[in-house]
Amino acid sequence: EAQVTQNPRYLITVTGKKLTVTCSQNMNHEYMSWYRQDPGLGLRQIYYSMNVEVTDKGDVPEGYKVSRKEKRNFPLILESPSPNQTSLYFCASSLSEGSAKYEQYFGPGTRLTVT
Amino acid sequence: GESVGLHLPTLSVQEGDNSIINCAYSNSASDYFIWYKQESGKGPQFIIDIRSNMDKRQGQRVTVLLNKTVKHLSLQIAATQPGDSAVYFCADTEISSGSARQLTFGSGTQLTVLP
Repeated sequence: EAQVTQNPRYLITVTGKKLTVTCSQNMNHEYMSWYRQDPGLGLRQIYYSMNVEVTDKGDVPEGYKVSRKEKRNFPLILESPSPNQTSLYFCASSLSEGSAKYEQYFGPGTRLTVT
Repeated sequence: GESVGLHLPTLSVQEGDNSIINCAYSNSASDYFIWYKQESGKGPQFIIDIRSNMDKRQGQRVTVLLNKTVKHLSLQIAATQPGDSAVYFCADTEISSGSARQLTFGSGTQLTVLP
């Protein structure tokens, strides 16, 4: 089954404790992206990657890191989480050509709470 | 980037009626628009897209209308069913300019289908 998976689905952590949210897709998509979703603000892009070893900042990259060492995986790293990073996070992937880049397949989401 | 907003945050319709969800966008250079559906506890799911050289596009039970003059987008759902209950997002971008601008999402409209 074609899908995007994220782990963990739920995470409660404390300020300053490094964490990684994994994302994996099995569709051989070049393009992958991370979003955060907050009430009243919709989806905002954190980072995206056009292909292996190619990453770029989205609209809200501060406090986050990503890596793309393999095509299928795109982990999101919070080196020192803070309470304002409490949010619902989505990973997405798509083909990279033309409008197909925007027909993104989303993962199920990761609910992160930072206390 | 520019913001994409929705007129109404919530919409309730009777099962079997038609639903109309509206969206205003502010970037006159946007030339590609997408509607996503997000069911509770899941990631957004692509519904339908439209390019700026069209003013109407139909899918299965869904129709998207684009009015570039007033920068307005709508999603019409025919014979609304309980399974249509979800949050609906519009998003816009520019693909013809060759810019790297990513999708800009609206904050969403919650559609509730009443029995």
